[in-house]
Amino acid sequence: DGGITQSPKYLFRKEGQNVTLSCEQNLNHDAMYWYRQDPGQGLRLIYYSQIVNDFQKGDIAEGYSVSREKKESFPLTVTSAQKNPTAFYLCASSYRDRFSYEQYFGPGTRLTVT
Amino acid sequence: EDQVTQSPEALRLQEGESSSLNCSYTVSGLRGLFWYRQDPGKGPEFLFTLYSAGEEKEKERLKATLTKKESFLHITAPKPEDSATYLCAVRPNSGGYQKVTFGIGTKLQVIP
Repeated sequence: DGGITQSPKYLFRKEGQNVTLSCEQNLNHDAMYWYRQDPGQGLRLIYYSQIVNDFQKGDIAEGYSVSREKKESFPLTVTSAQKNPTAFYLCASSYRDRFSYEQYFGPGTRLTVT
Repeated sequence: EDQVTQSPEALRLQEGESSSLNCSYTVSGLRGLFWYRQDPGKGPEFLFTLYSAGEEKEKERLKATLTKKESFLHITAPKPEDSATYLCAVRPNSGGYQKVTFGIGTKLQVIP
């Protein structure tokens, strides 16, 4: 079955530590995205990528970093510079060069930093 | 700036009691409007894309409609398994493929 996987489902870290969230897709999508979801707010875009070795900042990129070494993979690193990292993180993917751009989401990673 | 407002924030229905969720949007030219279902602790599940006013799409007990200013998600004879948060999102004609604005969602609870 095609889909998007994220790991781990839950992640606990101490303040000051960097942490990397995994995202893999086998939908053959070109574009991949990272969102953050907080209670009472809509999804906010952190980073996005449309091709291997290329990615752009979204609306709230400060304190985050990404890489895109393979089409299927788009890991997100939450650095110690992110002031409020505790949140639910969602990875998504979509076609880039078609009329329909609906995004398909992974199951999410809940990060708790104490 | 693109905006999406969903109402109500929460809705409680008896099983079989049909209702509608609203998504009002402001966008500089609509490329597509998306509906998603999100269960607690899970990622959003894609339901529909609507492209132009007057368009309708159906899936089981759900029917999505679109006007120039809003979209409705009609739920006919809901069942407890329809309980979830329903998200609406819009993509404008300009700004790039990544430019999608999401609403906060409507949390639907269907009581047996």
